[in-house]
Amino acid sequence: DAKTTQPNSMESNEEEPVHLPCNHSTISGTDYIHWYRQLPSQGPEYVIHGLTSNVNNRMASLAIAEDRKSSTLILHRATLRDAAVYYCILSDQTGANNLFFGTGTRLTVIP
Amino acid sequence: DARVTQTPRDKVTEMGQEVTMRCQPILGHNTVFWYRQTMMQGLELLAYFRNRAPLDDSGMPKDRFSAEMPDATLATLKIQPSEPRDSAVYFCASGIDWDRDGYTFGSGTRLTVV
Repeated sequence: DAKTTQPNSMESNEEEPVHLPCNHSTISGTDYIHWYRQLPSQGPEYVIHGLTSNVNNRMASLAIAEDRKSSTLILHRATLRDAAVYYCILSDQTGANNLFFGTGTRLTVIP
Repeated sequence: DARVTQTPRDKVTEMGQEVTMRCQPILGHNTVFWYRQTMMQGLELLAYFRNRAPLDDSGMPKDRFSAEMPDATLATLKIQPSEPRDSAVYFCASGIDWDRDGYTFGSGTRLTVV
């Protein structure tokens, strides 16, 4: 499985945008980029996913580099409820569709 | 919102005892995962099913763990005999094939083996 690299932790001020980076230099052409987050004492929660084009949904935006070797999850306006561990995961659509979680980025939101 | 339901929420058991954790996937979802989370190892994939058939259980210790889907509304993860190193939070997740909206996780079963 292709690997992803994320910073261990990041901080953001409340109501400011947050850009969470993810490097995936060994991504294959059939790998989708998924983002999940895990709030304290809860199970992981789907945030967004994409293949090549940038994606937007009600929770976040996903910006994918043209060479697909990196991506950025964008929270447009961080709230205290966004404090969580954010996981960037690659999953092959043609394969098992399973998700292997790494260590993720712990986001702290400062009031 | 539809939910994945896991029972029990918490379980404390003595070493050597059998433990069964249950998961009710979202109605209509045909893919079910079992994950285990510990501080040391993070989230580990144990097994997953599609249309009730086990597709991958390579992450599971075979000698003591077993996972089944008796029907489309129930997935079970059994540990027999349990050991202290099995203490962890066990998550179930469900989705639809290549799910456009991602997989939905349950709240987990916190297992403590003493």
